[in-house]
Amino acid sequence: QKEVEQDPGPLSVPEGAIVSLNCTYSNSAFQYFMWYRQYSRKGPELLMYTYSSGNKEDGRFTAQVDKSSKYISLFIRDSQPSDSATYLCAMGRGAGSYQLTFGKGTKLSVIP
Amino acid sequence: NAGVTQTPKFQVLKTGQSMTLQCAQDMNHNSMYWYRQDPGMGLRLIYYSASEGTTDKGEVPNGYNVSRLNKREFSLRLESAAPSQTSVYFCASSELGSGYTFGSGTRLTVV
Repeated sequence: QKEVEQDPGPLSVPEGAIVSLNCTYSNSAFQYFMWYRQYSRKGPELLMYTYSSGNKEDGRFTAQVDKSSKYISLFIRDSQPSDSATYLCAMGRGAGSYQLTFGKGTKLSVIP
Repeated sequence: NAGVTQTPKFQVLKTGQSMTLQCAQDMNHNSMYWYRQDPGMGLRLIYYSASEGTTDKGEVPNGYNVSRLNKREFSLRLESAAPSQTSVYFCASSELGSGYTFGSGTRLTVV
């Protein structure tokens, strides 16, 4: 079983839809969780960072972590064509650890 | 506000040629990383440097070497390029326990 599993999609939604992106993980040592957005032919950029179970909201984006189920989600409300990108989840083991483990990414297209 | 700068952006090499990918960050981060990204494989860590003066192997280090030249710069060298090293290479930097800042990538093709 891979440490981090992420459905690669592609996922296509109409403009204005609510998007749900998900990752599951197997290693309970992961302590902090991130979502990155990667536009075509660009480097990934940090979108959301959370260190605990629960929800974190930033504008149209909400990151949700359920450590008991080893499941994280990113919700995008009122999706826009500019949200079309690949979204990667990433996880880290906490203090003393430098490495992140990335999911393979989900490609999202928001259709006008 | 440059962040992480990678050079070159594109490169075509012949099998057996060598080259060095350059990376520099201006955020005073201690840690730096080199990843490769291939379709269906996601981001895979090649080498990382937790702090100036240290380097460690990641998931796929074979065929690569790195140098942490100073706190700002971290280079990746391919001594004898192979077609299997055709990929997009990303450099990143971070502080311990924080998110990474990535460069814009180097697209390398080995023919």
